[in-house]
Amino acid sequence: DTGVSQDPRHKITKRGQNVTFRCDPISEHNRLYWYRQTLGQGPEFLTYFQNEAQLEKSRLLSDRFSAERPKGSFSTLEIQRTEQGDSAMYLCASSRAGGRNEQFFGPGTRLTVL
Amino acid sequence: GENVEQHPSTLSVQEGDSAVIKCTYSDSASNYFPWYKQELGKGPQLIIDIRSNVGEKKDQRIAVTLNKTAKHFSLHITETQPEDSAVYFCAATAGGSYIPTFGRGTSLIVHP
Repeated sequence: DTGVSQDPRHKITKRGQNVTFRCDPISEHNRLYWYRQTLGQGPEFLTYFQNEAQLEKSRLLSDRFSAERPKGSFSTLEIQRTEQGDSAMYLCASSRAGGRNEQFFGPGTRLTVL
Repeated sequence: GENVEQHPSTLSVQEGDSAVIKCTYSDSASNYFPWYKQELGKGPQLIIDIRSNVGEKKDQRIAVTLNKTAKHFSLHITETQPEDSAVYFCAATAGGSYIPTFGRGTSLIVHP
């Protein structure tokens, strides 16, 4: 399968715990994006990388959210001290530089904070 | 920033009918308009897109139209089938940005 993959698909955690999600983009794509999607809403942009550089992070929801892409391949999104309001679907997408910036989404990680 | 409004929020049609979903955007600098289909438990899937230098684009049963002056664009699905049932999202991306702003989605239900 050459699509975007995300792991885990589901995560249940208790309030106050830290969680980390992984995204593996399509191999030849150098741009990688993280979104959050809540019920009844469209994806909400969080941050994106071009290769290993994080080019936009001002829309991360709080300083509890951070993302990395250390070698320009896979990326991780970490949420520290989770709150019930963090419960959502976290989506990753990737695209090739140039062209239409057509973004391909992964299946998402569903986070439930109890 | 960009604001995208999408209507209707729910659309119910009979198999074989046409379906139309409409979106408006606020930023006149937006120049790329993708449409995504999201099935339950899955990530959004790009189904068609259009750039601002084109007024209409068609791919088999789906088509998108763009009116730059009015800042609105629409998705048209003809001869709908039950497998078209899903949530559809429009998005707009401003020139020079790689970050789309999404509408709130339209839940399309196609009754057999």
